[in-house]
Amino acid sequence: NAGVMQNPRHLVRRRGQEARLRCSPMKGHSHVYWYRQLPEEGLKFMVYLQKENIIDESGMPKERFSAEFPKEGPSILRIQQVVRGDSAAYFCASSPVASGGADTQYFGPGTRLTVL
Amino acid sequence: KNEVEQSPQNLTAQEGEFITINCSYSVGISALHWLQQHPGGGIVSLFMLSSGKKKHGRLIATINIQEKHSSLHITASHPRDSAVYICAVSRGSARQLTFGSGTQLTVLP
Repeated sequence: NAGVMQNPRHLVRRRGQEARLRCSPMKGHSHVYWYRQLPEEGLKFMVYLQKENIIDESGMPKERFSAEFPKEGPSILRIQQVVRGDSAAYFCASSPVASGGADTQYFGPGTRLTVL
Repeated sequence: KNEVEQSPQNLTAQEGEFITINCSYSVGISALHWLQQHPGGGIVSLFMLSSGKKKHGRLIATINIQEKHSSLHITASHPRDSAVYICAVSRGSARQLTFGSGTQLTVLP
């Protein structure tokens, strides 16, 4: 059973370009979370999605950032017009169908975004 | 004040030592998670607990709900245990995690 997959593992963009980060959750998992780890800082929640629904995007910057988890295919975190401050490691995690309580989250290897 | 506080920030131990990492939180939680972040950056979930104690190999996690405190213990530490250990909480009905700042553990041979 493959784990959570993220691609690309490393992404270099120039200021003003777009960055697209992909996350394929573990088989059977319908909850996806995106977290960001800025250099020398801790992990911070960005957005929580289920298939075709954004459940909570309270950690997402209001501008330039968007996320989706379509019925088919991976979840996408999209950053438009990237700036140097977007340079960070972006981690995706997935968990299985809600059981009424918290679930163990399984993390992907992360995408390291560098903005030149 | 952060909602999740860890101590110590950095910890160096000799191989074989017993290690304790502490986590305190200030909010109501549905579960507390301990994660391990490898030097290469990958993150592994070690434990999820909402009461009592869990054990896996040389790792033990405990939680005291009344005191809002959890500890992660490593017995017979080994250099391969060197990593960042992160405490995180799930708050109420929300499923996303709120993280502590992590404890950098270095175990010397």
